[in-house]
Amino acid sequence: EIVMTQSPATLSVSPGERATLSCRASPSVSNSLAWYQQKPGQAPRLLIYGASTRATGIPARFSGSGSGTEFTLTISSLQSEDFAVYYCQQYNDWPHPTFGGGTKVEIK
Amino acid sequence: QVQLQESGPGLVKPSETLSLTCTVSGGSISPFYWSWIRQSPGKGLECIGYIYYTGSTNYNPSLKSRVSMSVDTSKNQFSLKLSSVTAADTAVYYCARIYETMDVWGQGTTVTVSS
Repeated sequence: EIVMTQSPATLSVSPGERATLSCRASPSVSNSLAWYQQKPGQAPRLLIYGASTRATGIPARFSGSGSGTEFTLTISSLQSEDFAVYYCQQYNDWPHPTFGGGTKVEIK
Repeated sequence: QVQLQESGPGLVKPSETLSLTCTVSGGSISPFYWSWIRQSPGKGLECIGYIYYTGSTNYNPSLKSRVSMSVDTSKNQFSLKLSSVTAADTAVYYCARIYETMDVWGQGTTVTVSS
């Protein structure tokens, strides 16, 4: 099983600031990496797939980068609606995709 | 746009079978793959498995002996059965469409295993 490790567990950021979230894969997942946003009581929402492609309707302030084992999700200027939990997911080992443990982005 | 809705009992007794159905609206169940995912505080997000619209399946090895999925294209639905449940199977269960990865999710349904 491919293990996905996210850091930090919690990120405290002020509105308008940049947030940088990390995800590490072991072993490599090439660019088969997705990012999801989850708010309380809601299902995860796909933000990024293919490591860097924004899903339909996702604002440009969300960007993804990386390949292989190291990935980053950047939110360029945090809006109030962006405070949530973010998960990375690998789908290189299909049909056994796995998720990271999540990073909670909270208001500083 | 495509919407998914999970349905089924919210309470299941230990050792019994959990049964859920996902109804797809706003689009066709073909030619996609469809997945079941669950989320619990202890294990986070876990992919249970997936089913193709033709009925072919692939399950998480850790659950394979207890999982069964089926599809009904005439009703635009697919289903999950998980047998011999224990408290460890208590979770929010989601269905999702697979297009490269899980791109559309249902709202989720909470299933509690308790006597």
